[in-house]
Amino acid sequence: AQKITQTQPGMFVQEKEAVTLDCTYDTSDPSYGLFWYKQPSSGEMIFLIYQGSYDQQNATEGRYSLNFQKARKSANLVISASQLGDSAMYFCAMREGITNSGYALNFGKGTSLLVTP
Amino acid sequence: NAGVTQTPKFRVLKTGQSMTLLCAQDMNHEYMYWYRQDPGMGLRLIHYSVGEGTTAKGEVPDGYNVSRLKKQNFLLGLESAAPSQTSVYFCASRPGSSYEQYFGPGTRLTVT
Repeated sequence: AQKITQTQPGMFVQEKEAVTLDCTYDTSDPSYGLFWYKQPSSGEMIFLIYQGSYDQQNATEGRYSLNFQKARKSANLVISASQLGDSAMYFCAMREGITNSGYALNFGKGTSLLVTP
Repeated sequence: NAGVTQTPKFRVLKTGQSMTLLCAQDMNHEYMYWYRQDPGMGLRLIHYSVGEGTTAKGEVPDGYNVSRLKKQNFLLGLESAAPSQTSVYFCASRPGSSYEQYFGPGTRLTVT
């Protein structure tokens, strides 16, 4: 079963507007963490933000914030004041606590974000 | 401090050929991972290592072997390449004290 679901294959947003990228996850483990990575057209994976399941407050990193709703099993990424350089693929990923994969990450299929002038 | 590096950046192989992808990290990280990324997909775990001398299978290990003889290096081998192994391969590492993974720039492999 898919552990990470990103339902938006593509999104458009106008420069300076805010945008929310959706991510839902599936786990029965009480200890887990959610990540967001950015992959620009150059191909590298850039870490954006992390939220642990026991963290009390939603994570924020500059213009990025994670809207973590544990009961709904969602971890949406909010980008405020979009910039042209934000155009990229965005991946949501999860690590679980009880794992036999060295806390490797399970990735969603990604959302392609295009920021327009 | 180079972080995580991958060699080569690009490679074209013929079906049946073999090759080794090298991942090196200079951050003294315990954990290392190999992922593959196919079009329209997220990254999928091939093999991983929790320390020098140890390796284990991930989600999609068939057709690949790995070795971690030195803590800083994690090698991914394809003994007999197949077109289904055409993909972008990412290596990642992390310290034991953090869950954040640091990714290499990727290797684009084409098998014809």
